[in-house]
Amino acid sequence: AQTVTQSQPEMSVQEAETVTLSCTYDTSESNYYLFWYKQPPSRQMILVIRQEAYKQQNATENRFSVNFQKAAKSFSLKISDSQLGDTAMYFCAFMKPYYGQNFVFGPGTRLSVLP
Amino acid sequence: NAGVTQTPKFRVLKTGQSMTLLCAQDMNHEYMYWYRQDPGMGLRLIHYSVGEGTTAKGEVPDGYNVSRLKKQNFLLGLESAAPSQTSVYFCASRPGTGAAGELFFGEGSRLTVL
Repeated sequence: AQTVTQSQPEMSVQEAETVTLSCTYDTSESNYYLFWYKQPPSRQMILVIRQEAYKQQNATENRFSVNFQKAAKSFSLKISDSQLGDTAMYFCAFMKPYYGQNFVFGPGTRLSVLP
Repeated sequence: NAGVTQTPKFRVLKTGQSMTLLCAQDMNHEYMYWYRQDPGMGLRLIHYSVGEGTTAKGEVPDGYNVSRLKKQNFLLGLESAAPSQTSVYFCASRPGTGAAGELFFGEGSRLTVL
């Protein structure tokens, strides 16, 4: 079974600074997808970024980028120019493309952006 | 755009009571999921459905039942609520096999069992 680990339960960063959230996963699969979801205080789950394992190029979405190290099974999220609105829980998730396509989520990292 | 809608948003139950959470999606998605979120444990899959009339167990199915009589609706039932079922419940949906798209989530339902 796949597992996803986020070793940083809480982090904080000053506004406008850069922060990196860590995620590691365990799988024997070669084809899969990785995601970062954001959950602000409103509780709504929002997709931040997605990475396909067969693509070597790291995904980027505006201020959000990932460092995908397939051999190391590492998938970290970098947030540049942090904004107060980035304050949220961040969940790393793994998905193996098979019938049902269930997601496995990590325990989350609570990020606080300080003014 | 309604997306994924969960009702109710909040509910307080006494031990032994029953209730049903309703999830409705208007995106014609094949797959629907029920997760529970507990502090420090992320989201854990309770049950899921890959199409109308089908359901399957997830990681933590005990104490819950589900039904998907219509493609757009996915119901989660608690027959005899226990304090251990105090949690925030999320419904999610996505297109079917072959699509590598995201999960679309409802806003969550906070359930407290006294």
